Amino acid sequence: EAGVAQSPRYKIIEKRQSVAFWCNPISGHATLYWYQQILGQGPKLLIQFQNNGVVDDSQLPKDRFSAERLKGVDSTLKIQPAKLEDSAVYLCASSPHTGELFFGEGSRLTVL
Amino acid sequence: GQQLNQSPQSMFIQEGEDVSMNCTSSSIFNTWLWYKQDPGEGPVLLIALYKAGELTSNGRLTAQFGITRKDSFLNISASIPSDVGIYFCAGPSYGQNFVFGPGTRLSVLP
Repeated sequence: EAGVAQSPRYKIIEKRQSVAFWCNPISGHATLYWYQQILGQGPKLLIQFQNNGVVDDSQLPKDRFSAERLKGVDSTLKIQPAKLEDSAVYLCASSPHTGELFFGEGSRLTVL
Repeated sequence: GQQLNQSPQSMFIQEGEDVSMNCTSSSIFNTWLWYKQDPGEGPVLLIALYKAGELTSNGRLTAQFGITRKDSFLNISASIPSDVGIYFCAGPSYGQNFVFGPGTRLSVLP
C-alpha cells in the first residue's frame, strides 16, 4: 500500500515570497492533517480535513496560510507571504478514522 | 490548550541496554500513540494504545497506557544502533486531531 506522498521535499525561498506544498494521502483515508514541525519540537497541527471539509483550522495563521482539499483527496498548503519564522518541516498525515495518523516524509521549508 | 510532557528530553545509552521513557498529560486521554522520527523523515507509528492499563508490544518495543489515563510509557529492550531517533507520544486533542509531545531524543553508543 502506498504511503502519504508529499512534494516538494525541500524548498528555499526568500521572505515575502509564496510557496505551496502538495499532499496525496493514503487511498481511502477520509481524514487529512497538515502539521508544522519546527526544529527541535514536536509536530503542531495547522489544519484538519474530513473529506473536503475543514474540521479544525483554529491554529492556522489565516493571514498568510491557506489550505484546501478539493474533491476530498489531494491537498495543498500555501504560505503567502512567507516569514522567517515559517522555516520548518510541513508534515501531511492521513487517517482512516480518528485514530492512527500516518505521516508523509515532509516538506522542509527554509525562508531566507 | 492541551500539552504533553515527555521525559527524559534526551538520553545516551550503550548498545544492548534497555530504555524507558514516558509521556504525561494534564488531561485524560482515551488513546495514546507512540511515533519514531529519523532525521529528515516523517514520524512513523510504532504502537497505538486504546485502553487504560493496556500493555502492547511491537518487537523489542513495549508501551503501556497508564491506569490514570494521564500517562503512557515506552520501553525498548536490548537497544541497537537503528533505535537512534526522536520518540514522540501523541494523544487526542479537542475535536478529532492529535497533540504531540516535544519528543525524547535517543542516542545509542556502540
